[in-house]
Amino acid sequence: GAGVSQSPSNKVTEKGKDVELRCDPISGHTALYWYRQSLGQGLEFLIYFQGNSAPDKSGLPSDRFSAERTGGSVSTLTIQRTQQEDSAVYLCASSLAPRTRTDTQYFGPGTRLTVL
Amino acid sequence: KNEVEQSPQNLTAQEGEFITINCSYSVGISALHWLQQHPGGGIVSLFMLSSGKKKHGRLIATINIQEKHSSLHITASHPRDSAVYICAVKNTNTGNQFYFGTGTSLTVIP
Repeated sequence: GAGVSQSPSNKVTEKGKDVELRCDPISGHTALYWYRQSLGQGLEFLIYFQGNSAPDKSGLPSDRFSAERTGGSVSTLTIQRTQQEDSAVYLCASSLAPRTRTDTQYFGPGTRLTVL
Repeated sequence: KNEVEQSPQNLTAQEGEFITINCSYSVGISALHWLQQHPGGGIVSLFMLSSGKKKHGRLIATINIQEKHSSLHITASHPRDSAVYICAVKNTNTGNQFYFGTGTSLTVIP
């Protein structure tokens, strides 16, 4: 079946603009993660959604970042008033947890965000 | 201080060599993941471990909970194994947050 998809694949924006990044998880996956990978840096956890529970927002770097997940499926990560340090690849992953004991995450291809 | 440390940072091997990548962590974990990131950025989950050892094809992953250490081994390495290998742990104390190592960049030369 289809894997995790993300759109757009690339986004170039000007400093101060808002951007929205979209993630379509694998159908039936209740868990959804957003990560960020800055150039030369490791992956950084941003936010976690599990079913209808309140999201775990502990990784969001500032209040300019927000995310929502509608209907337990598609998720949108919004960055307001973008800054140059927001430039990174934003990755989405989904998993079947917690119905199964495995927590294997399936990653999307990422959105490369460049803030000029 | 990083919660997850990997070594080596970079590794070059000849085709056919046995490869070991190490991961040490400093927090209590519920699970440890090994991920593979190819040039171009796609990430694939290789293993999820909470104890013992797992094998998939030429890849073997082990974990020692007492020593807070995991290793990823690649037998009979091949140029297509060239990628960045990332260790990630799920911290038992911080719920859903994963901590990631900075990755080991592997290049296998024909």
